[in-house]
Amino acid sequence: NAGVTQTPKFQVLKTGQSMTLQCAQDMNHNSMYWYRQDPGMGLRLIYYSASEGTTDKGEVPNGYNVSRLNKREFSLRLESAAPSQTSVYFCASSLGAGGYGTDTQYFGPGTRLTVL
Amino acid sequence: RKEVEQDPGPFNVPEGATVAFNCTYSNSASQSFFWYRQDCRKEPKLLMSVYSSGNEDGRFTAQLNRASQYISLLIRDSKLSDSATYLCVVTHTGTASKLTFGTGTRLQVTL
Repeated sequence: NAGVTQTPKFQVLKTGQSMTLQCAQDMNHNSMYWYRQDPGMGLRLIYYSASEGTTDKGEVPNGYNVSRLNKREFSLRLESAAPSQTSVYFCASSLGAGGYGTDTQYFGPGTRLTVL
Repeated sequence: RKEVEQDPGPFNVPEGATVAFNCTYSNSASQSFFWYRQDCRKEPKLLMSVYSSGNEDGRFTAQLNRASQYISLLIRDSKLSDSATYLCVVTHTGTASKLTFGTGTRLQVTL
């Protein structure tokens, strides 16, 4: 039981390049989330998926897109990376039985992204 | 004003000391409250939920004061392994609910 896994662990991009961050969970959770963490800012929600087939914007969605591929997988795409997107990205999941925000969230190990 | 505010610290305490952190929140409609722990360069992990009546888990005690809109975390008999950043987390229901994180309070326990 791996919990929440993320790939890659580290990535360096040039401005304008695109990439997809992958996230998968094996806990049969309904809800999945993408956060970014910056010094002095705390974790901020980018997008979330309350259940398979649905996605919604969080606090800082601009410059990102997401896909809930199936119940296990939730990917985050940067279409044209900018230096302001340099951050640590965390994926999380929760059982979501009571709706978003009400269940314990389990986090993946994070992806450290640098955009030059 | 940030929605969830914490003293960033660091709090430097000797092993065996008792240390307390507070966190204030601005939205009176906040519904659920948690403390997460985050080790350096690692992911956040749930430490404990915070209930209205207060709750204890071993050396850790969490309290909620709705009237003053703050929650607290008390750590007794600090261990070196308690060194981490403690994140205060607040959720709201009835909206497109969001889990709002404070920026964290850093604790360093020393010999």
